[in-house]
Amino acid sequence: SQELEQSPQSLIVQEGKNLTINCTSSKTLYGLYWYKQKYGEGLIFLMMLQKGGEEKSHEKITAKLDEKKQQSSLHITASQPSHAGIYLCGARNNNAGNMLTFGGGTRLMVKP
Amino acid sequence: ETGVTQSPTHLIKTRGQQVTLRCSSQSGHNTVSWYQQALGQGPQFIFQYYREEENGRGNFPPRFSGLQFPNYSSELNVNALELDDSALYLCASSPSGGAYEQYFGPGTRLTVT
Repeated sequence: SQELEQSPQSLIVQEGKNLTINCTSSKTLYGLYWYKQKYGEGLIFLMMLQKGGEEKSHEKITAKLDEKKQQSSLHITASQPSHAGIYLCGARNNNAGNMLTFGGGTRLMVKP
Repeated sequence: ETGVTQSPTHLIKTRGQQVTLRCSSQSGHNTVSWYQQALGQGPQFIFQYYREEENGRGNFPPRFSGLQFPNYSSELNVNALELDDSALYLCASSPSGGAYEQYFGPGTRLTVT
């Protein structure tokens, strides 16, 4: 079965700093989803990547899927306290359905 | 456009009891997936419904069952509750299976004592 590993597990940054979160798969990714979660709440959809080399941006967050489709990164530029939360990557298990396998999450704290 | 909603928000049950959780899909979405998220972990896929039929199932025992209704709302039923069933239960809807975005509801926090 597919496994996703996120790194780092937790991160504390000073406001204004850039940061990167990585998501590595043991198998080829058919689709990679990034979500943000506030503690104990639902997941907020950020971006979906499908093609090798694909890159998407939304406000100050950029996500990339590498050419081999086994790793994705999420980059936040000039972090703000509003970026704090848990970032989760989820991968589609096959090319047919959209059942997702999730990584363990990266807990981000931004110090003002 | 109405987002994904779930009810109830919180629930406390006793071991051995049964529970039903509800989810209303986002307008226009015919696929619903349910996930269990234990504290400090990523969500785990329970099952998915597409047009009222189960379309895939994760590694959960048969006491976890579900339904999807003609209006694409959905229920998750759990029988014979165990302490380890305490978790945040999330539902997600999408326009179909396949390469579509999935949108999650706020979740139901279930505590089993």
